[in-house]
Amino acid sequence: LAKTTQPISMDSYEGQEVNITCSHNNIATNDYITWYQQFPSQGPRFIIQGYKTKVTNEVASLFIPADRKSSTLSLPRVSLSDTAVYYCLVASGGYNNNDMRFGAGTRLTVKP
Amino acid sequence: DSGVTQTPKHLITATGQRVTLRCSPRSGDLSVYWYQQSLDQGLQFLIQYYNGEERAKGNILERFSAQQFPDLHSELNLSSLELGDSALYFCASSSRTGGYYEQYFGPGTRLTVT
Repeated sequence: LAKTTQPISMDSYEGQEVNITCSHNNIATNDYITWYQQFPSQGPRFIIQGYKTKVTNEVASLFIPADRKSSTLSLPRVSLSDTAVYYCLVASGGYNNNDMRFGAGTRLTVKP
Repeated sequence: DSGVTQTPKHLITATGQRVTLRCSPRSGDLSVYWYQQSLDQGLQFLIQYYNGEERAKGNILERFSAQQFPDLHSELNLSSLELGDSALYFCASSSRTGGYYEQYFGPGTRLTVT
C-alpha cells in the first residue's frame, strides 16, 4: 500500500508560484512530512519538514491541514533551476522500513 | 556538499561479478541508509544501519548485503550481478534511527553491468 500519492509531473513558468500536493491518507500520529528535491544524477536534498499547520523557510513553505491527510509544498517564484523531481516522504522515525518509502515523486519542469 | 561521501563514483563490471560500494556518513551521524535508483525510477530503499546494527530492511535482494563498521562507514556488497542491477546507488545518513529526521544523501555510485 503506497504511503503517499503525488502528481507524476507538473509544468510551470519562471516567476510563478508552484504548489505540489501530496496525499497521505494513512498518516500516523507520529509521522512527520518531509519534502526532498532531486536533480538528475544527484542525491535528494532536504527542502522542508513539518508536522502540522504551516512551516516556512528560505526556499519553500509547507501547508498541512488539520486532518494531516495531505500536504502542499509551495515554491514561490520558481526559476529554471527549480526544474527537478520533488518527493514527499511521510516517516515516523521509528524502526519501520516504511519510513524510507519515497514514492515516485513529482517531476517539475519550469519553462522560460 | 552534504558531507556524505561515496566511492567509487562510477563502476563498470560484467554480469556474474561482485562489487563493493562504500559510504562514509556525515561526522556524528550514526544511521546509514542505502537506496537504489534505476534509470528514471524512484528511490528504492534497500537497508538501514544504526551504529553497526541492521535496523530496517526494504527491497534488498538476497544477492545484496551490507554492513556498518565500528568507524560508522558502511559497505554495500552486490554479488552475482545482473544487467538489471545497473543503477545509481545512494547512501544517506542521519543522526537518528528513523526517517523523520533529515537524511543527507551522498553523490551516489553509478553501477553499470555489461
